[in-house]
Amino acid sequence: DVKVTQSSRYLVKRTGEKVFLECVQDMDHENMFWYRQDPGLGLRLIYFSYDVKMKEKGDIPEGYSVSREKKERFSLILESASTNQTSMYLCASTVASDSYSNQPQHFGDGTRLSIL
Amino acid sequence: AQTVTQSQPEMSVQEAETVTLSCTYDTSESDYYLFWYKQPPSRQMILVIRQEAYKQQNATENRFSVNFQKAAKSFSLKISDSQLGDAAMYFCAYNYGGATNKLIFGTGTLLAVQP
Repeated sequence: DVKVTQSSRYLVKRTGEKVFLECVQDMDHENMFWYRQDPGLGLRLIYFSYDVKMKEKGDIPEGYSVSREKKERFSLILESASTNQTSMYLCASTVASDSYSNQPQHFGDGTRLSIL
Repeated sequence: AQTVTQSQPEMSVQEAETVTLSCTYDTSESDYYLFWYKQPPSRQMILVIRQEAYKQQNATENRFSVNFQKAAKSFSLKISDSQLGDAAMYFCAYNYGGATNKLIFGTGTLLAVQP
C-alpha cells in the first residue's frame, strides 16, 4: 500500500513564524500536492510538484512556498504565518500518467495547524 | 473553468438503509475522471469509487455505486445497507486527465449514520 506520511498531526505556531510542513511518500510517485481544507470550502490546491525541483502554483498559493529537493519529500512553507492560515493541511501523491489512464491521489493523515 | 458542486452539506441515514449523495460538475472536456473520496474522523482521505467518463456503465464497489449522467454532468454516490462505519465527510472530485492528475474537489457532504 502507498504510504504518505505528514510529519505532524497537530501543530501550534505564532504569528510571524516561519512554518515547515513535511510530507514523505514511499511509492516513487512523480506528483505531489499540498491542499488546504476548511469547513464549507472543501479542499483547495495550494501547490503541486510534478518532479524534483519542479513546482506549480495551485489555486491559493499566496503566503506559501514549497520545496522538493528529493522525489519522496515535498515541503510546504509558510513564510510568515498569519492567523488566517489556521487550517487543516493535506498532502497527497500520485503517479504521472498519460491522458487516458489516471490514478487516484493518495493522501496523508493531515496536519491541523493553529496560528496564534 | 471546471467546477464541482455538492449541494448537500449534511445528510443522515438510518443504519441498513440506502442514501444518495449528490454531485454535479461543469466542464467542456469530453474525457475525464470522477472520484468519490471518504474522510472519516481519523482524517485520512480514502478513495471510495472512480468513474471514467467514456464508460457508460456505472461503477460499483461492494455497497457503493454511482449514478453517472454525463449529459446532465451529474455523479451521485449511492450507499446501500449503510453501516456505522460509513459516517464520514464525502468529497466528490474531478480530474480532467493529463500527467499531473490534479483534482478539483467539491465542498463535501457530512454523512451521519443513525443506529
